[in-house]
Amino acid sequence: AQSVAQPEDQVNVAEGNPLTVKCTYSVSGNPYLFWYVQYPNRGLQFLLKYITGDNLVKGSYGFEAEFNKSQTSFHLKKPSALVSDSALYFCAVRPSSTSGTYKYIFGTGTRLKVLA
Amino acid sequence: DSGVTQTPKHLITATGQRVTLRCSPRSGDLSVYWYQQSLDQGLQFLIQYYNGEERAKGNILERFSAQQFPDLHSELNLSSLELGDSALYFCASSEGTTPYEQYFGPGTRLTVT
Repeated sequence: AQSVAQPEDQVNVAEGNPLTVKCTYSVSGNPYLFWYVQYPNRGLQFLLKYITGDNLVKGSYGFEAEFNKSQTSFHLKKPSALVSDSALYFCAVRPSSTSGTYKYIFGTGTRLKVLA
Repeated sequence: DSGVTQTPKHLITATGQRVTLRCSPRSGDLSVYWYQQSLDQGLQFLIQYYNGEERAKGNILERFSAQQFPDLHSELNLSSLELGDSALYFCASSEGTTPYEQYFGPGTRLTVT
């Protein structure tokens, strides 16, 4: 079965320290990978995506993610965390499809808490 | 502001009732997706429409149905409501069927009492 795993329910990091939010996936073929952020009482906001090409993808608000095909991972990173980065982060995958169906699979979310 | 609008913002109804949630996609977006977010199950994909046609189906119950109209707005109909249907329902839109990012609306919070 195709799936996305975010192994940590919560990540705590001190402000100014680097942060990593982990994501691994299990899909057939070449996946398209996404990260979204959700602030309280808001919809999800797109951060970045990997389609093809350079394994290091840069996105909004200083976030980046590294695609690792051999480890089937797409971890979200930021060199220096801000308190305002505290939110719920979702990894999502869209398996490549030739059938015309475009189903997105979301992870269960990781709550990031940046401590001042 | 993502450009995706959803109405109503909040909905409180009783078990057994039927409700309709409405979504207007971003201007120019042809794909609409519906998701259910509950505390214990995370974000669950329900269904996707592209230019009026159903394109993908996820964990959508038979009591739920959706459609996308010629003006591209979409409605999600939930019937015979149960307490467990209480959740946040999000609509998202994207340009097309290639792997574009999705833009999410603010959600409709449904409470079934």
